[in-house]
Amino acid sequence: DAMVIQNPRYQVTQFGKPVTLSCSQTLNHNVMYWYQQKSSQAPKLLFHYYDKDFNNEADTPDNFQSRRPNTSFCFLDIRSPGLGDAAMYLCATSRDQWETQYFGPGTRLLVL
Amino acid sequence: AQSVTQLDSQVPVFEEAPVELRCNYSSSVSVYLFWYVQYPNQGLQLLLKYLSGSTLVKGINGFEAEFNKSQTSFHLRKPSVHISDTAEYFCAALLNTGNQFYFGTGTSLTVIP
Repeated sequence: DAMVIQNPRYQVTQFGKPVTLSCSQTLNHNVMYWYQQKSSQAPKLLFHYYDKDFNNEADTPDNFQSRRPNTSFCFLDIRSPGLGDAAMYLCATSRDQWETQYFGPGTRLLVL
Repeated sequence: AQSVTQLDSQVPVFEEAPVELRCNYSSSVSVYLFWYVQYPNQGLQLLLKYLSGSTLVKGINGFEAEFNKSQTSFHLRKPSVHISDTAEYFCAALLNTGNQFYFGTGTSLTVIP
């Protein structure tokens, strides 16, 4: 089945230690998104790629970076995780802009 | 500014009773509207969406929603809930001028046996 896959499902890291979360998709969608969702809150868009074009939200901290080496994969890099970065990170894709977004199962990040 | 409002943060309902989860949006341009469900420690799953056409939209798991342009609402309904419907429900709007979703703050539905 075509889907959005996120690995790992749970990630534990130490304060200040870089961490990378991964997302892959078999939908062949042009657009990939990263959201941060804190407890009992709505998902918050961090950035998205339209093909290879990177679009950063204005309030996304510099600590968060992303890479999309090819259509199928997209990575979220947190350079120096703080305690406040503990959250669920959701990857989503859409075939094109203005279209339905399909979400992966998420990676829950814990910062010790 | 565009926004999505979910008026109820928590909705408890008895099993087999009907439920309505409310969603209102504010936008000066046309929007597409969505409902997503999130089970504990999982991602968001699309329940249904309104893009155009019939204002009554049917989705998975027996849910439906009605787009009401005059009231700028997109309430989610189910005539008879099950224990398995216990989850967080998010309403979202997508402007037809961009690709950012505007999410509501979510409604936690708890189905009581």
